Amino acid sequence: EPEVTQTPSHQVTQMGQEVILRCVPISNHLYFYWYRQILGQKVEFLVSFYNNEISEKSEIFDDQFSVERPDGSNFTLKIRSTKLEDSAMYFCASSDTGVGTDTQYFGPGTRLTVL
Amino acid sequence: QKEVEQDPGPLSVPEGAIVSLNCTYSNSAFQYFMWYRQYSRKGPELLMYTYSSGNKEDGRFTAQVDKSSKYISLFIRDSQPSDSATYLCAMKKVSNTGKLIFGQGTTLQVKP
Repeated sequence: EPEVTQTPSHQVTQMGQEVILRCVPISNHLYFYWYRQILGQKVEFLVSFYNNEISEKSEIFDDQFSVERPDGSNFTLKIRSTKLEDSAMYFCASSDTGVGTDTQYFGPGTRLTVL
Repeated sequence: QKEVEQDPGPLSVPEGAIVSLNCTYSNSAFQYFMWYRQYSRKGPELLMYTYSSGNKEDGRFTAQVDKSSKYISLFIRDSQPSDSATYLCAMKKVSNTGKLIFGQGTTLQVKP
């Protein structure tokens, strides 16, 4: 069964450093998403991406965040200068149509720890 | 008022019990309703998806939506220890961005 994969599973970084989280969505999907989950809190939407453009972004997704689909298979989330409060699980998701009853399939997540 | 509210639990039941999980929401623009299951340190996995008021059944799981009351439920019959996980309700408006709004999640433990 196709699945979304994410690397690395755990990333430890120093405050102020740049990190890139990588995702490989399901191959025929066209819509891509990043969510995050701070420990003990709810899963929060960060950004949706379609046709090489951001469709929607949340208030959390400020100028420190960027997303890119550098090739036909990867989807990345970059945090330019990490803060302590960026420590969280980051989930990538993908879906085929992005509308109606389409299903978003989530990856296993990357645990980001900012020291 | 939060857009989506869900009692975080934890909820502990004996094996074989019927489990009822619930969410309320405040925004009538939500039209699509989902239940995801999340095991510890894993990604959410879709269990049920509904888009109209009423019931939808899939095996031991029944999802119920009452749009007039802005209330959704997930029932698990004959609960098993393998059902022990966190259950997240999620909602979506009619839009082309796919943004999901999640509840806090309810942690369920089914004891053998």
